[in-house]
Amino acid sequence: QKEVEQNSGPLSVPEGAIASLNCTYSDRVSQSFFWYRQYSGKSPELIMSIYSNGDKEDGRFTAQLNKASQYVSLLIRDSQPSDSATYLCAVRSGGYNKLIFGAGTRLAVHP
Amino acid sequence: NAGVTQTPKFQVLKTGQSMTLQCAQDMNHNSMYWYRQDPGMGLRLIYYSASEGTTDKGEVPNGYNVSRLNKREFSLRLESAAPSQTSVYFCASSELAAASTDTQYFGPGTRLTVL
Repeated sequence: QKEVEQNSGPLSVPEGAIASLNCTYSDRVSQSFFWYRQYSGKSPELIMSIYSNGDKEDGRFTAQLNKASQYVSLLIRDSQPSDSATYLCAVRSGGYNKLIFGAGTRLAVHP
Repeated sequence: NAGVTQTPKFQVLKTGQSMTLQCAQDMNHNSMYWYRQDPGMGLRLIYYSASEGTTDKGEVPNGYNVSRLNKREFSLRLESAAPSQTSVYFCASSELAAASTDTQYFGPGTRLTVL
């Protein structure tokens, strides 16, 4: 059973701090990795995708991938209360775009 | 562009009733997906359609059927609803499932309760 593991949280950080969200996966041949943000009662919204080892930055968001350790993370700099949401890690598995989702980490940014 | 749309937004069924969840996308995507999301669990793939005319089972297909009506529309049918099918259902689409960089985009969801 291919798995994607995330700490369910809540992860509580003060406004302006860096939030660090982590994800591990079991399928060594996974090639594509995605971070989705999901506000309560809403649908998942893509934030970042990463395919190669290393860091990928987009505004306040940085995705980090380490395939040897089977580990992907999302850093949110200068966290804002509007970043409070559940963050879902998704890993592409198999020949087609079949995503395996983690259960998500709930982030709470307090003023 | 509306993106991915789903109907209905909410539905309450009694055990044994049937219903069809509708999904449509206007992004000219080839691939479409149905997921369910339960509390404390990630999204789980029910069925997907890599391209018009094809459908395949995902992780949790039992109790469901799908129809890829055309390139735009992908419906999910519950033939005899059970309380275990109480969930939030999301439809998603992507340009080309076989591409390694393919990205899925989600509809607003249908909240289904089976009594």
